Amino acid sequence: DVKVTQSSRYLVKRTGEKVFLECVQDMDHENMFWYRQDPGLGLRLIYFSYDVKMKEKGDIPEGYSVSREKKERFSLILESASTNQTSMYLCASSFASYYGYTFGSGTRLTVV
Amino acid sequence: GESVGLHLPTLSVQEGDNSIINCAYSNSASDYFIWYKQESGKGPQFIIDIRSNMDKRQGQRVTVLLNKTVKHLSLQIAATQPGDSAVYFCAETSNKLSFGAGTTVTVRA
Repeated sequence: DVKVTQSSRYLVKRTGEKVFLECVQDMDHENMFWYRQDPGLGLRLIYFSYDVKMKEKGDIPEGYSVSREKKERFSLILESASTNQTSMYLCASSFASYYGYTFGSGTRLTVV
Repeated sequence: GESVGLHLPTLSVQEGDNSIINCAYSNSASDYFIWYKQESGKGPQFIIDIRSNMDKRQGQRVTVLLNKTVKHLSLQIAATQPGDSAVYFCAETSNKLSFGAGTTVTVRA
């Protein structure tokens, strides 16, 4: 089975902190994605990557950056965490740009 | 712009009854549609998909119907079970995946 592993299930961070959310997949997928999930808003795409060292902005990239130094790892960075970034963050990988997504279990981030 | 929406945010179903979850989309160029199920504490999991050249596809206890004329997608779950309680998302794509807001299905014993 494809595994997408997110390093933390729950995180609590202070406003202004730099936050790293890590995601690792084990199926050699080219494509990786970061979404945030909020009640009533569904899943919104933050950033995605089609290859190592490549990144593309999604629908809501403001306040976030990403890093993909290795194919299997895609990191989401909150440069200066704010309370409106409190959310569930979901990582996904796929072998095609929109086909065959596999999601991680999510990281619930609370910024206080 | 593109939008994907589910008609109802919540659905309560008696165990053993059939469930129907609806979804509307706005992008007429969308050519691939997927339903995901998200159980509490887990990420979304693939249930079933359908391409735009089809209007119906069946899986195990699930059927997806696509009406391109009115841009409507539905997921039917036969003989709903307690394990079907979850949030269900539709997603559509022409070049990237866009998700709806989700319908929370609660199965009553």
